[in-house]
Amino acid sequence: RKEVEQDPGPFNVPEGATVAFNCTYSNSASQSFFWYRQDCRKEPKLLMSVYSSGNEDGRFTAQLNRASQYISLLIRDSKLSDSATYLCVVPTRGARGGGNKLTFGTGTQLKVEL
Amino acid sequence: NAGVTQTPKFQVLKTGQSMTLQCAQDMNHNSMYWYRQDPGMGLRLIYYSASEGTTDKGEVPNGYNVSRLNKREFSLRLESAAPSQTSVYFCASSEALDAFFGQGTRLTVV
Repeated sequence: RKEVEQDPGPFNVPEGATVAFNCTYSNSASQSFFWYRQDCRKEPKLLMSVYSSGNEDGRFTAQLNRASQYISLLIRDSKLSDSATYLCVVPTRGARGGGNKLTFGTGTQLKVEL
Repeated sequence: NAGVTQTPKFQVLKTGQSMTLQCAQDMNHNSMYWYRQDPGMGLRLIYYSASEGTTDKGEVPNGYNVSRLNKREFSLRLESAAPSQTSVYFCASSEALDAFFGQGTRLTVV
């Protein structure tokens, strides 16, 4: 099983729709998780973090289901500008116990249409 | 505020040539990373450095070497480039758990 898995999509949704993505992870010891957004041919940028209590930022809600080992990202009232690839990130302890190794999922592509 | 700076932004190499990708960060972060991104493959970790003086292999280290020159700089070297190394390369740095990325280097090996 891959460390981090995502449905690549694309998810094509109309403007104003609610859309949700999931990301499964294999390391049950992982404590924190992140969602990044990547626009076409650009660098990834942090969208939000996900801890045990979940996180909400405006139209975006991230939640953790530790029992089933997945995190989710919910986008309400989708905008055209939300079109991007959303990457799930799971930090794990690096080799020799130092620092963190950041493992990315392959990303889920979202296309919001008129 | 520059953040993470990568050079060059674009490069075309012939098979067998060598080159070094440079990365520098001005955020005083301890950890730095090199990723490659290919269509449908997501970001794959090549090497990372948890702190100055340490480097560790990631998921796809073969064909690459790295140097953590000091806290600011982390370079990636291709000793003998192969067409399979055609990709977009991203450098990133972090202090806690979230990372900041450079703008990427688009490398083509012909």
